[in-house]
Amino acid sequence: GEDVEQSLFLSVREGDSSVINCTYTDSSSTYLYWYKQEPGAGLQLLTYIFSNMDMKQDQRLTVLLNKKDKHLSLRIADTQTGDSAIYFCAEKGTSYDKVIFGPGTSLSVIP
Amino acid sequence: DTAVSQTPKYLVTQMGNDKSIKCEQNLGHDTMYWYKQDSKKFLKIMFSYNNKELIINETVPNRFSPKSPDKAHLNLHINSLELGDSAVYFCASSQDHGGGSLGTQYFGPGTRLLVL
Repeated sequence: GEDVEQSLFLSVREGDSSVINCTYTDSSSTYLYWYKQEPGAGLQLLTYIFSNMDMKQDQRLTVLLNKKDKHLSLRIADTQTGDSAIYFCAEKGTSYDKVIFGPGTSLSVIP
Repeated sequence: DTAVSQTPKYLVTQMGNDKSIKCEQNLGHDTMYWYKQDSKKFLKIMFSYNNKELIINETVPNRFSPKSPDKAHLNLHINSLELGDSAVYFCASSQDHGGGSLGTQYFGPGTRLLVL
């Protein structure tokens, strides 16, 4: 079945770049998403990428997709303490309405 | 002007009770979802409704019953609450036209349920 995996924890120093990695198994994935969850809050869509793209950049965020290896990454440049949160990778295949979420990566930014 | 809202935000109750969580979206979306997030932050889909019809029903005990009176509302009723039901429950909505569409999901703030 479909599965999405992420490492559970990442710690970086303020000002450094963060790279959060994700792997998925559904080769029919059409869209891949990154969501951010701050403490005590709901999930907020950060960015998404279509499966026919390799890269997408949005200000400090860069998404890289290696469709052959089914690997997705989110790079946050100049990481700030406000970036401390849980980041969820998610993928949507051709199965109607179903989005599969990874377990989330807890990013801690050290001042 | 909240897009997806849930009530209540916090719910503390005794084991064995029956409780409901309400969700409303004002985005005009046609699909709504319920997710459960456990203490380890794992997010798992429970149900999905499209235009008031059940689309996804994952392996969830029969004690959980979703109800969609119209496409802007999806409520979750839980019977005979158990300790293991303690979690954060998130409602979400999306505008979905099938497998080929973006289907970005917008999440509510969550309902923190604690069963004592």
